[in-house]
Amino acid sequence: AQSVTQLDSQVPVFEEAPVELRCNYSSSVSVYLFWYVQYPNQGLQLLLKYLSGSTLVESINGFEAEFNKSQTSFHLRKPSVHISDTAEYFCAVQNTGTASKLTFGTGTRLQVTL
Amino acid sequence: DAMVIQNPRYQVTQFGKPVTLSCSQTLNHNVMYWYQQKSSQAPKLLFHYYDKDFNNEADTPDNFQSRRPNTSFCFLDIRSPGLGDAAMYLCATSRGGGFMNTEAFFGQGTRLTVV
Repeated sequence: AQSVTQLDSQVPVFEEAPVELRCNYSSSVSVYLFWYVQYPNQGLQLLLKYLSGSTLVESINGFEAEFNKSQTSFHLRKPSVHISDTAEYFCAVQNTGTASKLTFGTGTRLQVTL
Repeated sequence: DAMVIQNPRYQVTQFGKPVTLSCSQTLNHNVMYWYQQKSSQAPKLLFHYYDKDFNNEADTPDNFQSRRPNTSFCFLDIRSPGLGDAAMYLCATSRGGGFMNTEAFFGQGTRLTVV
């Protein structure tokens, strides 16, 4: 079985400040890791993913996440947030089997204010 | 260009009245998933299809059924909706087949209200 823990349910931050959203996972097998973003009343959009290779992955809008196997973490960071980054962020884990399911964390609400 | 389309976006149904939510995809993906997401909670997988093979999660209530008549379409049937079934229902697809084919593409969701 696999699980994901997002300890922070809400993270308030001022615009242009840095932010880190924490994600820890548990799994007995190798995993893929994902961050999804959800805007109000919308579906989930993939933000970035780790499948293999470099442990630091980046998105096109300035987010990055680093896979740390020893700490079983995949924290999401952005050096300078914008108002438009306000959304719910979900970390997800998937074991490396064929058509295996995504298991989501409970989400972190990022609230960016002026 | 929408790739995973869910209809309707908002659905109101009466307590106990059967309701069907639909999902279509233009990606020709092998795998289609249905997730239930209640307010302020993580999406929870109900079941998925790998081609025509149906895979039900162990804790999915019998009240929830699914059909996949072809590659492009998948339906979620709730036979007797209860108040506790009010949620956002998310459809997703993935190519399947192993490494590098794991990214899931989500639709916009259908928000179900039970009155």
